[in-house]
Amino acid sequence: GAVVSQHPSRVICKSGTSVKIECRSLDFQATTMFWYRQFPKQSLMLMATSNEGSKATYEQGVEKDKFLINHASLTLSTLTVTSAHPEDSSFYICSARDSSGSRRETQYFGPGTRLLVL
Amino acid sequence: QKEVEQNSGPLSVPEGAIASLNCTYSDRVSQSFFWYRQYSGKSPELIMSIYSNGDKEDGRFTAQLNKASQYVSLLIRDSQPSDSATYLCAVTTTYNNNDMRFGAGTRLTVKP
Repeated sequence: GAVVSQHPSRVICKSGTSVKIECRSLDFQATTMFWYRQFPKQSLMLMATSNEGSKATYEQGVEKDKFLINHASLTLSTLTVTSAHPEDSSFYICSARDSSGSRRETQYFGPGTRLLVL
Repeated sequence: QKEVEQNSGPLSVPEGAIASLNCTYSDRVSQSFFWYRQYSGKSPELIMSIYSNGDKEDGRFTAQLNKASQYVSLLIRDSQPSDSATYLCAVTTTYNNNDMRFGAGTRLTVKP
């Protein structure tokens, strides 16, 4: 099956620092990747849609200047949480969409990155 | 009305029973339907995808799609304690660039 990796799996940082999270599709090309955030006991919340070679599309209420997304290749998207604060502590999950005909727009999730801002 | 609705549960079934998870969606032109399983503290993993009306079976899992009634369900036969997780229903439509919309998930507990 399709594999998506995320790095790092866990990060602890001080308030005010920036954190970069990488999302890679390992065995397929993904023109579109998605970034989600999930707080404890809550459902997935889509933050933004990342399109290779173009600007990301952010969901309402998500600050594009705080959550910087770069999708420079067909297998890599990065999310940078700038000037992180404790309220940004969450589980960040990326997914990559396989656009090949046989998989019909299926999204495959990375294992997630748990961010703790002190 | 939410685009994708699920009963949040918790749904509790005894080991060996059939667990039935239901999902309704609001957009009639929805094309692709997915069930994901999410264990606590982990990311979602794909269980089933279904695109046509009817049933699709994979091992102990059966997905059922009824486009006329706008619902999709997941049946888990011979439920095991390891099936205890949150199950997410997801739907894609062409009008919003095939973006996937998720239900809030149904928490399933299988009791030994």
